[in-house]
Amino acid sequence: GQNIDQPTEMTATEGAIVQINCTYQTSGFNGLFWYQQHAGEAPTFLSYNVLDGLEEKGRFSSFLSRSKGYSYLLLKELQMKDSASYLCVPSDSNYQLIWGAGTKLIIKP
Amino acid sequence: GAVVSQHPSRVICKSGTSVKIECRSLDFQATTMFWYRQFPKQSLMLMATSNEGSKATYEQGVEKDKFLINHASLTLSTLTVTSAHPEDSSFYICSAISGRDSYNEQFFGPGTRLTVL
Repeated sequence: GQNIDQPTEMTATEGAIVQINCTYQTSGFNGLFWYQQHAGEAPTFLSYNVLDGLEEKGRFSSFLSRSKGYSYLLLKELQMKDSASYLCVPSDSNYQLIWGAGTKLIIKP
Repeated sequence: GAVVSQHPSRVICKSGTSVKIECRSLDFQATTMFWYRQFPKQSLMLMATSNEGSKATYEQGVEKDKFLINHASLTLSTLTVTSAHPEDSSFYICSAISGRDSYNEQFFGPGTRLTVL
């Protein structure tokens, strides 16, 4: 079967760094997306990894290890507006996105 | 970037009525559009995939006669919830693929919150 494993909830402090881990199992693999979703809103694209390694984009970085079925999203210099759910979304052999419930990140002052 | 709009953003209707939700790609032609549903604190659930000019492909468990999808042009897809009931109350989100990138990034609309009384 296809599944995604992420922590349900994490808490971090404003200005700090947080790493959200994700392990996944899919039928085939065509890359992995990270999306941010604020409550009551649609997801917004953060990053895409298809090769092993780290992709850096401003305060956000995403890492992928295909052999381990593992990815993480690293958020630096946390701001209150970063409070949201973060969705690790692998793409399977048919380019279908596999959605989980994501990790709810709570930022405290 | 690619922009997708949805209309309406919020709708409240009586049980038994039909509701139409529009999804438009504003600055690109969408080869494929997707319709998702999301219940509170749950993951997005893909309902159907639609390609312009052809019938939508529905996911298992989604009633095609209840959720009518029309993809009449490369920039517009509509979802009609027929004879809506309270259990259909949910957050409906569409997304679209432009076909311009190699990894089929889906661009999401802002979503439509449907409340059926």
